[in-house]
Amino acid sequence: GAGVSQTPSNKVTEKGKYVELRCDPISGHTALYWYRQSLGQGPEFLIYFQGTGAADDSGLPNDRFFAVRPEGSVSTLKIQRTERGDSAVYLCASSSGTVHGELFFGEGSRLTVL
Amino acid sequence: AQTVTQSQPEMSVQEAETVTLSCTYDTSENNYYLFWYKQPPSRQMILVIRQEAYKQQNATENRFSVNFQKAAKSFSLKISDSQLGDTAMYFCAFIADNYGQNFVFGPGTRLSVLP
Repeated sequence: GAGVSQTPSNKVTEKGKYVELRCDPISGHTALYWYRQSLGQGPEFLIYFQGTGAADDSGLPNDRFFAVRPEGSVSTLKIQRTERGDSAVYLCASSSGTVHGELFFGEGSRLTVL
Repeated sequence: AQTVTQSQPEMSVQEAETVTLSCTYDTSENNYYLFWYKQPPSRQMILVIRQEAYKQQNATENRFSVNFQKAAKSFSLKISDSQLGDTAMYFCAFIADNYGQNFVFGPGTRLSVLP
């Protein structure tokens, strides 16, 4: 596609539920990132994929968070047993994989846990 | 650990005037890259400008330029001839050569351009 697409744009769920957030990167981009942005703060790194594999998942806060990218394109961020503190905007970005090249961001998925 | 600090939570500037946003960072690395990203109300982050630490010359992109002071670990963004469309959150970001692809972002500065 022309840009990074994220769905849903908004998700409201109840505490304890399971949530999936989807990211469709720019076609041909090998690198894909997930960031979390809480209100009034900068993006916080969660995980980075190079192709199908998670090259760096050091930012995932705990084992309730998991992400996959099975075919090296679309990625899904999965959150189990959601907590109110998980409420944030989840940003996805992709890049061509050039070392420290430009990140292209989607518009984010706003997750609200009631 | 790498950290990025933006000491100005909010700033405003009159249209057509010049404004400078501050950014400092902390690292023990010698090879790294610095970025300014803009996030308008639509939420989509857009790269404004990029600087390699090994380059002494300050980066410039049209009305946007940086003042990179490596010894002081400072990386400020100057916006000249401010336009209403420049109203956004601005994030300073850092990545070191030896830290994979973990970009570190500052807390942001909310810039309002006033007509």
